[in-house]
Amino acid sequence: DADVTQTPRNRITKTGKRIMLECSQTKGHDRMYWYRQDPGLGLRLIYYSFDVKDINKGEISDGYSVSRQAQAKFSLSLESAIPNQTALYFCATSDFLAPGDTQYFGPGTRLTVL
Amino acid sequence: GQQLNQSPQSMFIQEGEDVSMNCTSSSIFNTWLWYKQDPGEGPVLLIALYKAGELTSNGRLTAQFGITRKDSFLNISASIPSDVGIYFCAGQLAYGGSQGNLIFGKGTKLSVKP
Repeated sequence: DADVTQTPRNRITKTGKRIMLECSQTKGHDRMYWYRQDPGLGLRLIYYSFDVKDINKGEISDGYSVSRQAQAKFSLSLESAIPNQTALYFCATSDFLAPGDTQYFGPGTRLTVL
Repeated sequence: GQQLNQSPQSMFIQEGEDVSMNCTSSSIFNTWLWYKQDPGEGPVLLIALYKAGELTSNGRLTAQFGITRKDSFLNISASIPSDVGIYFCAGQLAYGGSQGNLIFGKGTKLSVKP
C-alpha cells in the first residue's frame, strides 16, 4: 500500500462549488504539505503543517483553506472554486527528525474547475 | 522569493546516452534533493544530498552537492526509455520555520528516443 494517499485522484467541478481534497499518510511523519503544480511553474506551496496544532500559509494560500484532523490526515479545501484553480494538487509529508526536510509525495489529484 | 534555476528545461536523447542536468541558485542550501515525476503521478525521491561535496549514486543515477552549496547536478548514465519523465531539483535554505521549506526547480523534461 502507498505511504501517502490522496482522494479523489480526479475531480471535475463547477465554478463556485466547495471542494475538499484529502490526504492520508502511514509514514508516521509529523509534517504535511499541500502543493499545486501548473505546467511550466513547477510546484508551489499552498499550506503546510508541522503538527496537528500548527498550520501555516505557503506561497499561494489565497482561495484555499486546510484542516489537520489528525497526525495522519491533512485536507485542502477550495471554498468557492474558480477556473484558475484547475491544476494538479499534491500532498507531501516529511519527518521532523530526518535531515533536510526530505519530502515524500502522494500520487496527486487532478482538479478541473469549469 | 528564492528561486532555483534548473537546466535544461527539456532534452531529447538517444537511448544509451548519458544525461546531465543541474540546478543553481544565488543562495546557499543545506540540502539538495532530486525527484522524478512520471506522467499522472507524484514526484518520487531519487537522491538526497546533505553535505557540500557529497556525491551519491542510485543505480545509473549520480548526483552531487556542489562545493559552494549553491548548485547540484544529476547525471543519468546509459539512458533507457523508462527514464522519460520530469526531473525536479529541490533545496532547503536553512533549518527551522518557513525557511526550512523546500524550494523547487521548474523541472527538466526528459524524452528518450528508443
